[in-house]
Amino acid sequence: DQQVKQNSPSLSVQEGRISILNCDYTNSMFDYFLWYKKYPAEGPTFLISISSIKDKNEDGRFTVFLNKSAKHLSLHIVPSQPGDSAVYFCAASALGTYKYIFGTGTRLKVLA
Amino acid sequence: ETGVTQTPRHLVMGMTNKKSLKCEQHLGHNAMYWYKQSAKKPLELMFVYSLEERVENNSVPSRFSPECPNSSHLFLHLHTLQPEDSALYLCASSQDWDRGDNEKLFFGSGTQLSVL
Repeated sequence: DQQVKQNSPSLSVQEGRISILNCDYTNSMFDYFLWYKKYPAEGPTFLISISSIKDKNEDGRFTVFLNKSAKHLSLHIVPSQPGDSAVYFCAASALGTYKYIFGTGTRLKVLA
Repeated sequence: ETGVTQTPRHLVMGMTNKKSLKCEQHLGHNAMYWYKQSAKKPLELMFVYSLEERVENNSVPSRFSPECPNSSHLFLHLHTLQPEDSALYLCASSQDWDRGDNEKLFFGSGTQLSVL
Protein backbone atom coordinates (compact mmCIF):
# COMPACT_ATOMS: atom_id res chain seq x y z
CA ASP A 1 0.00 0.00 0.00
CA GLN A 2 1.42 3.33 -1.06
CA GLN A 3 1.77 5.64 1.93
CA VAL A 4 2.58 8.72 -0.13
CA LYS A 5 0.56 9.41 -3.24
CA GLN A 6 0.90 11.91 -6.02
CA ASN A 7 -2.20 11.32 -8.08
CA SER A 8 -1.35 13.65 -10.95
CA PRO A 9 1.41 12.16 -13.09
CA SER A 10 1.74 15.36 -15.12
CA LEU A 11 0.82 19.04 -15.11
CA SER A 12 1.20 21.80 -17.70
CA VAL A 13 1.17 25.47 -16.74
CA GLN A 14 1.77 28.70 -18.62
CA GLU A 15 4.84 30.71 -17.72
CA GLY A 16 4.07 33.31 -15.07
CA ARG A 17 1.06 31.44 -13.69
CA ILE A 18 0.83 29.41 -10.51
CA SER A 19 1.77 25.71 -10.43
CA ILE A 20 0.12 23.61 -7.74
CA LEU A 21 1.41 20.12 -7.09
CA ASN A 22 -0.45 17.88 -4.68
CA CYS A 23 0.51 15.05 -2.40
CA ASP A 24 -1.55 12.85 -0.05
CA TYR A 25 -0.33 10.56 2.69
CA THR A 26 -1.91 7.87 4.81
CA ASN A 27 0.45 7.38 7.75
CA SER A 28 -0.48 9.66 10.66
CA MET A 29 3.00 9.12 12.16
CA PHE A 30 4.58 11.18 9.41
CA ASP A 31 5.70 14.48 10.83
CA TYR A 32 8.14 15.83 8.27
CA PHE A 33 7.58 16.37 4.57
CA LEU A 34 9.88 17.30 1.75
CA TRP A 35 9.68 18.19 -1.91
CA TYR A 36 12.39 17.19 -4.33
CA LYS A 37 12.90 18.27 -7.92
CA LYS A 38 14.47 16.04 -10.54
CA TYR A 39 15.77 16.94 -13.97
CA PRO A 40 16.47 14.21 -16.55
CA ALA A 41 19.80 12.44 -16.06
CA GLU A 42 20.25 14.02 -12.62
CA GLY A 43 19.48 12.93 -9.09
CA PRO A 44 16.66 14.53 -7.10
CA THR A 45 17.57 17.82 -5.42
CA PHE A 46 15.98 19.12 -2.24
CA LEU A 47 13.56 21.97 -2.76
CA ILE A 48 11.64 22.73 0.41
CA SER A 49 10.40 21.00 3.54
CA ILE A 50 7.80 21.42 6.26
CA SER A 51 7.45 20.09 9.76
CA SER A 52 4.05 19.01 11.06
CA ILE A 53 4.10 21.81 13.64
CA LYS A 54 3.63 24.27 10.79
CA ASP A 55 0.98 24.60 8.12
CA LYS A 56 3.01 26.71 5.71
CA ASN A 57 6.62 27.21 4.73
CA GLU A 58 7.79 29.66 2.13
CA ASP A 59 11.08 29.99 0.27
CA GLY A 60 11.11 32.51 -2.53
CA ARG A 61 8.74 31.39 -5.29
CA PHE A 62 8.06 28.09 -3.53
CA THR A 63 5.49 27.58 -0.77
CA VAL A 64 4.46 24.30 0.80
CA PHE A 65 1.13 24.00 2.58
CA LEU A 66 0.29 21.21 5.00
CA ASN A 67 -3.24 20.18 5.97
CA LYS A 68 -2.78 17.57 8.69
CA SER A 69 -6.45 16.79 9.15
CA ALA A 70 -6.76 15.97 5.45
CA LYS A 71 -3.30 14.36 5.30
CA HIS A 72 -2.57 16.52 2.31
CA LEU A 73 0.23 18.81 1.27
CA SER A 74 0.75 20.97 -1.76
CA LEU A 75 3.60 22.81 -3.39
CA HIS A 76 2.87 26.19 -4.97
CA ILE A 77 5.26 27.75 -7.44
CA VAL A 78 4.59 31.39 -8.23
CA PRO A 79 5.39 32.62 -10.81
CA SER A 80 6.21 29.48 -12.75
CA GLN A 81 9.23 29.60 -15.04
CA PRO A 82 10.31 27.32 -17.89
CA GLY A 83 13.31 26.24 -15.80
CA ASP A 84 10.87 24.78 -13.28
CA SER A 85 9.98 22.06 -15.78
CA ALA A 86 11.00 18.85 -14.00
CA VAL A 87 9.62 15.92 -12.06
CA TYR A 88 8.62 16.81 -8.49
CA PHE A 89 8.64 14.19 -5.76
CA CYS A 90 6.90 14.45 -2.44
CA ALA A 91 8.47 12.57 0.48
CA ALA A 92 7.51 11.96 4.10
CA SER A 93 9.13 10.57 7.19
CA ALA A 94 8.47 10.02 10.88
CA LEU A 95 10.73 11.54 13.53
CA GLY A 96 13.41 9.14 14.72
CA THR A 97 13.34 7.02 11.57
CA TYR A 98 15.62 7.05 8.60
CA LYS A 99 12.95 6.06 6.12
CA TYR A 100 11.91 8.69 3.66
CA ILE A 101 8.86 7.45 1.76
CA PHE A 102 8.51 8.92 -1.70
CA GLY A 103 5.58 9.41 -4.04
CA THR A 104 5.67 8.50 -7.73
CA GLY A 105 6.31 12.08 -8.84
CA THR A 106 4.51 14.70 -10.93
CA ARG A 107 6.02 15.89 -14.18
CA LEU A 108 5.62 19.66 -14.44
CA LYS A 109 5.90 21.37 -17.77
CA VAL A 110 5.97 25.16 -17.82
CA LEU A 111 5.10 26.52 -21.23
CA ALA A 112 6.82 29.68 -22.46
CA GLU B 1 34.46 17.97 -5.71
CA THR B 2 31.36 18.37 -3.60
CA GLY B 3 28.12 16.50 -3.03
CA VAL B 4 27.39 12.90 -3.87
CA THR B 5 29.13 11.30 -6.86
CA GLN B 6 28.03 8.08 -8.53
CA THR B 7 29.83 6.01 -11.15
CA PRO B 8 29.20 4.78 -13.74
CA ARG B 9 26.36 6.96 -15.04
CA HIS B 10 25.18 4.23 -17.38
CA LEU B 11 25.68 0.47 -17.27
CA VAL B 12 24.53 -2.32 -19.57
CA MET B 13 25.08 -5.84 -18.36
CA GLY B 14 24.07 -9.36 -19.18
CA MET B 15 22.32 -11.58 -16.70
CA THR B 16 25.50 -13.57 -16.00
CA ASN B 17 27.76 -10.55 -15.46
CA LYS B 18 29.09 -9.18 -12.20
CA LYS B 19 29.41 -5.42 -11.86
CA SER B 20 29.62 -2.83 -9.11
CA LEU B 21 28.13 0.62 -8.64
CA LYS B 22 30.16 3.17 -6.71
CA CYS B 23 29.06 6.11 -4.62
CA GLU B 24 31.17 8.70 -2.83
CA GLN B 25 29.94 11.55 -0.65
CA HIS B 26 32.00 14.63 0.16
CA LEU B 27 29.58 16.11 2.70
CA GLY B 28 30.90 14.57 5.90
CA HIS B 29 27.63 12.72 6.41
CA ASN B 30 27.23 9.65 8.59
CA ALA B 31 24.48 7.83 6.72
CA MET B 32 24.35 6.52 3.14
CA TYR B 33 21.49 4.98 1.21
CA TRP B 34 20.75 3.04 -1.96
CA TYR B 35 17.42 3.75 -3.66
CA LYS B 36 15.94 2.16 -6.77
CA GLN B 37 13.75 4.12 -9.16
CA SER B 38 11.73 2.11 -11.66
CA ALA B 39 9.46 3.71 -14.23
CA LYS B 40 6.20 5.02 -12.76
CA LYS B 41 7.05 3.72 -9.29
CA PRO B 42 8.09 5.56 -6.13
CA LEU B 43 11.73 5.61 -5.13
CA GLU B 44 12.27 2.36 -3.25
CA LEU B 45 14.66 2.24 -0.33
CA MET B 46 17.07 -0.69 -0.67
CA PHE B 47 19.79 -0.31 1.97
CA VAL B 48 20.82 2.12 4.69
CA TYR B 49 24.24 2.36 6.28
CA SER B 50 25.08 4.37 9.36
CA LEU B 51 28.76 4.82 10.16
CA GLU B 52 29.60 1.86 7.94
CA GLU B 53 27.11 -0.46 9.60
CA ARG B 54 24.06 -1.66 7.73
CA VAL B 55 20.91 -0.60 9.57
CA GLU B 56 18.36 -1.56 6.96
CA ASN B 57 17.98 -4.19 4.28
CA ASN B 58 14.57 -3.56 2.82
CA SER B 59 13.88 -7.13 1.65
CA VAL B 60 16.25 -6.79 -1.27
CA PRO B 61 17.19 -9.97 -3.20
CA SER B 62 20.66 -11.35 -2.51
CA ARG B 63 21.77 -10.65 -6.08
CA PHE B 64 22.27 -7.09 -4.78
CA SER B 65 25.10 -6.91 -2.28
CA PRO B 66 26.03 -3.60 -0.63
CA GLU B 67 29.38 -2.69 0.84
CA CYS B 68 30.33 0.34 2.92
CA PRO B 69 34.08 0.36 3.64
CA ASN B 70 33.96 3.81 5.27
CA SER B 71 31.47 6.60 5.85
CA SER B 72 32.33 8.28 2.54
CA HIS B 73 32.05 5.33 0.18
CA LEU B 74 29.24 2.97 -0.71
CA PHE B 75 29.17 0.19 -3.28
CA LEU B 76 26.41 -1.95 -4.73
CA HIS B 77 27.68 -5.24 -6.11
CA LEU B 78 25.48 -6.80 -8.76
CA HIS B 79 25.45 -10.42 -9.92
CA THR B 80 23.07 -12.60 -11.91
CA LEU B 81 20.55 -9.79 -12.30
CA GLN B 82 17.23 -10.10 -14.09
CA PRO B 83 15.84 -7.81 -16.82
CA GLU B 84 13.28 -6.48 -14.32
CA ASP B 85 16.19 -5.09 -12.28
CA SER B 86 16.73 -2.48 -14.98
CA ALA B 87 16.22 0.86 -13.27
CA LEU B 88 17.90 4.03 -12.05
CA TYR B 89 19.92 3.33 -8.92
CA LEU B 90 20.39 6.34 -6.71
CA CYS B 91 22.80 6.82 -3.87
CA ALA B 92 22.03 9.34 -1.15
CA SER B 93 23.51 10.56 2.10
CA SER B 94 22.27 12.38 5.17
CA GLN B 95 23.89 13.80 8.27
CA ASP B 96 22.57 11.05 10.54
CA TRP B 97 20.34 8.05 10.02
CA ASP B 98 18.02 8.70 12.98
CA ARG B 99 16.38 11.68 11.46
CA GLY B 100 16.22 14.88 13.45
CA ASP B 101 14.37 17.98 12.45
CA ASN B 102 15.38 19.55 9.16
CA GLU B 103 17.29 16.47 8.08
CA LYS B 104 17.24 15.71 4.40
CA LEU B 105 18.73 13.42 1.79
CA PHE B 106 21.32 14.51 -0.73
CA PHE B 107 21.25 12.42 -3.89
CA GLY B 108 23.80 11.52 -6.51
CA SER B 109 22.96 11.61 -10.22
CA GLY B 110 22.30 7.90 -10.32
CA THR B 111 23.37 4.94 -12.42
CA GLN B 112 20.98 3.98 -15.20
CA LEU B 113 21.20 0.20 -15.33
CA SER B 114 19.99 -1.96 -18.20
CA VAL B 115 20.03 -5.74 -17.80
CA LEU B 116 19.82 -7.66 -21.07
